[in-house]
Amino acid sequence: QKEVEQDPGPLSVPEGAIVSLNCTYSNSAFQYFMWYRQYSRKGPELLMYTYSSGNKEDGRFTAQVDKSSKYISLFIRDSQPSDSATYLCAMSEAGGFKTIFGAGTRLFVKA
Amino acid sequence: GAGVSQTPSNKVTEKGKYVELRCDPISGHTALYWYRQSLGQGPEFLIYFQGTGAADDSGLPNDRFFAVRPEGSVSTLKIQRTERGDSAVYLCASSLTDGELFFGEGSRLTVL
Repeated sequence: QKEVEQDPGPLSVPEGAIVSLNCTYSNSAFQYFMWYRQYSRKGPELLMYTYSSGNKEDGRFTAQVDKSSKYISLFIRDSQPSDSATYLCAMSEAGGFKTIFGAGTRLFVKA
Repeated sequence: GAGVSQTPSNKVTEKGKYVELRCDPISGHTALYWYRQSLGQGPEFLIYFQGTGAADDSGLPNDRFFAVRPEGSVSTLKIQRTERGDSAVYLCASSLTDGELFFGEGSRLTVL
C-alpha cells in the first residue's frame, strides 16, 4: 500500500463547476499537508499549505484536512479552463524534510 | 534567473551510458531536493541536501545513482550504467529550511 493514495482521474468538468479532489494516507505522523498544481511539462507549484487538521481558504480554493480519517480534500469553486492541470497532494512529518506526493489527479475544465 | 534552473531540459542516451543532471537552486535556499517523476505518477523522493551534505538519501533506488552538492549551491545528480527503467523526468526543488518546495521544470531523461 502506498503512503499516499490519489485517484489519477482524469476528471472532466464544465466551466463554473465545483471541483473536489481527494487523497487518503496511511502515515499518522504526517502533519503538513499541501496541494501542488502541475501544468504539462512544468514543475509542480504550491497552491495550498496547511498544518494539522482544519480548513484553509484562498480565493476560489479551499483545503480541508481530516486527520482522524486520514483524508484531505481540495475544492475549487467556479472552475476555469485555466485550472486544467494535474493536482498533486503532498504531505510531510513534523520536523521532516521528505515530502511524499500522491500520483496526481488530471483535471480538465471545459469552456 | 529567480527560479530553480535545471539542465539539460532533455537528455537522450543509450543503455549503459553515464548521465549527469544539473540543478541550480534559488539563491539563498539551503535545502535542495531531487525527485523523479514517471509518466502518470507523482514525484518520487530521491535525496535531500541541507547545505553541502546529503541529509537523507533513502530514496536513491540503487548504487548507480549518486548526487553531490560540493559548495552548498549547485547540485549534480549522476546516474551510472543507465537502464531503460531510468527514463523519467528528474525534478529538482529548493526551499528555505522546511516548507514550500520550489521546483524547476525538470530534466527529461530517455534511455534507449
